Amino acid sequence: DVKVTQSSRYLVKRTGEKVFLECVQDMDHENMFWYRQDPGLGLRLIYFSYDVKMKEKGDIPEGYSVSREKKERFSLILESASTNQTSMYLCASSSGARLGGYTFGSGTRLTVV
Amino acid sequence: GDSVTQMEGPVTLSEEAFLTINCTYTATGYPSLFWYVQYPGEGLQLLLKATKADDKGSNKGFEATYRKETTSFHLEKGSVQVSDSAVYFCALELTGGFKTIFGAGTRLFVKA
Repeated sequence: DVKVTQSSRYLVKRTGEKVFLECVQDMDHENMFWYRQDPGLGLRLIYFSYDVKMKEKGDIPEGYSVSREKKERFSLILESASTNQTSMYLCASSSGARLGGYTFGSGTRLTVV
Repeated sequence: GDSVTQMEGPVTLSEEAFLTINCTYTATGYPSLFWYVQYPGEGLQLLLKATKADDKGSNKGFEATYRKETTSFHLEKGSVQVSDSAVYFCALELTGGFKTIFGAGTRLFVKA
């Protein structure tokens, strides 16, 4: 069964910490995405990548960075975590071909205290 | 700009009731349209999709038809179950597959 795996389901970090959220897909997909999901705000795109070492800013990239050194892995980095980054983080992937839709991971619920 | 508008929730139904969740879109070009479902504490799962006008996507008893003339993609199910309780997202994928625009989501509660 194909899947997108996020390394942690729940994470608690302190303000100012550097936080790494990892995402791995086993479908050989070219495109990978990071979203955050907040009540009343829906899904908001943080960053995406359409190839190894390539990255593009989404709608809300401030305070985040990403890394894609291998095709199957896409990491989201919070350089200095803040309480307003408490959220559900969702990773997704899709093939380069059109029309397939996204495959999502189960999400990481991050709490910054 | 491109956007997706879906009906606000929550929608509360009794088991075996008929479900409709409305979705309309605005897009340039010819997007693909999707419905995703999110169960509590989980990520989103692709429920069904349609790639061109008049296509009907279907899965697990859910259906939606791509209506270009009304720019709509309403989700329907003839008889809902308690296990269908979830949040449903309508989405459109723009040409190139680099960006998908999601609706705000509609929460469905089904009572036994």
